Amino acid sequence: DAGITQSPRHKVTETGTPVTLRCHQTENHRYMYWYRQDPGHGLRLIHYSYGVKDTDKGEVSDGYSVSRSKTEDFLLTLESATSSQTSVYFCAISSAGGLYEQYFGPGTRLTVT
Amino acid sequence: GDSVTQMEGPVTLSEEAFLTINCTYTATGYPSLFWYVQYPGEGLQLLLKATKADDKGSNKGFEATYRKETTSFHLEKGSVQVSDSAVYFCALSSPNSGNTPLVFGKGTRLSVIA
Repeated sequence: DAGITQSPRHKVTETGTPVTLRCHQTENHRYMYWYRQDPGHGLRLIHYSYGVKDTDKGEVSDGYSVSRSKTEDFLLTLESATSSQTSVYFCAISSAGGLYEQYFGPGTRLTVT
Repeated sequence: GDSVTQMEGPVTLSEEAFLTINCTYTATGYPSLFWYVQYPGEGLQLLLKATKADDKGSNKGFEATYRKETTSFHLEKGSVQVSDSAVYFCALSSPNSGNTPLVFGKGTRLSVIA
């Protein structure tokens, strides 16, 4: 199994509070991704990174920001959480973009009340 | 843009039944194709892949063949078990996508009953 951990695994927070989710990898892969998974929507890409300090937006990036200061860590921040951001968040890594498969972390279940 | 269409579930089968989950795609160039599986409460795991036309990916009794003429990558298994109950995702990665990652289908939930 690819060495990917996510923290926290579960979190309940209140509307309007900031929240940061962490993804940590031990594979030294260049690419890292944040997805959210919701019933009826499948997986949707939030942001991704193709190197340290290199990030780009995905299809549902509004309300989210990311940072990557080290190869092994990719942080997802909800600046002011809303109930619509209640979801399961997955981090993924890949050794390269294009034709290469991704490996997924175990997920973080976030509930915004 | 690139897209993946999967058959909608849920699919319910009896143990030892034959499984087919349909997947078709739209993409420019020659994409790589993947099947991922997600067991309850877990992240997605790569099940199998194929990188060029007529390639057959296989793993754990599951198979899928990359059919360029029909733009399809259907997942099959000859005899399902209760432990195969999960959500299955078809995905593609295009060589023209640059940094753009995988494009996923919406997933198909499979329930196998004893």
